[in-house]
Amino acid sequence: DTEVTQTPKHLVMGMTNKKSLKCEQHMGHRAMYWYKQKAKKPPELMFVYSYEKLSINESVPSRFSPECPNSSLLNLHLHALQPEDSALYLCASSHKTVSGYTFGSGTRLTVV
Amino acid sequence: QKEVEQNSGPLSVPEGAIASLNCTYSDRGSQSFFWYRQYSGKSPELIMSIYSNGDKEDGRFTAQLNKASQYVSLLIRDSQPSDSATYLCAVNMEYGNKLVFGAGTILRVKS
Repeated sequence: DTEVTQTPKHLVMGMTNKKSLKCEQHMGHRAMYWYKQKAKKPPELMFVYSYEKLSINESVPSRFSPECPNSSLLNLHLHALQPEDSALYLCASSHKTVSGYTFGSGTRLTVV
Repeated sequence: QKEVEQNSGPLSVPEGAIASLNCTYSDRGSQSFFWYRQYSGKSPELIMSIYSNGDKEDGRFTAQLNKASQYVSLLIRDSQPSDSATYLCAVNMEYGNKLVFGAGTILRVKS
């Protein structure tokens, strides 16, 4: 298995909703990441998990809450988002933090 | 100064030509360098990685690294219309141990 699986592929949520994005990999990678990508912009790092522990938080607002239940799973909990949070949310994993990352297909989030 | 810089393009090349994409980076301690291809509406796909000075070839792709000049490039030989995409240069920053992307170069291969 050489894939990173993200669900859902599309999500529309209201500003008062709570939702979660899920990411799963079975490549034995011990580093997992959340990136945010706006249209015509490069991916921007949000969070890094290394060996299931949060190692980097790029000053992301608290309405985004990451969770790593085990070495294969990564969640991103969303609450009270704003319309400007609408973007493609990408999960990635790597063998080490210095290795190339494998990206999932992303969740396209729209906040209304 | 941006951490990773690329010319946004678009870079237009005729089918069969060589496309040359360039990237510079600011962190002199960086050790890992990557090129990703991203089609519109899709996620980035890793196409090349390079860790030491010199050239690395994989099929029609050649990555070149010059750490002294803090410069990375990607050559695509025999360019095909299917190569039309945004190419993202990514550098693993030593100080933060994280992958930072350049803004990307749009490549258009005309048949």
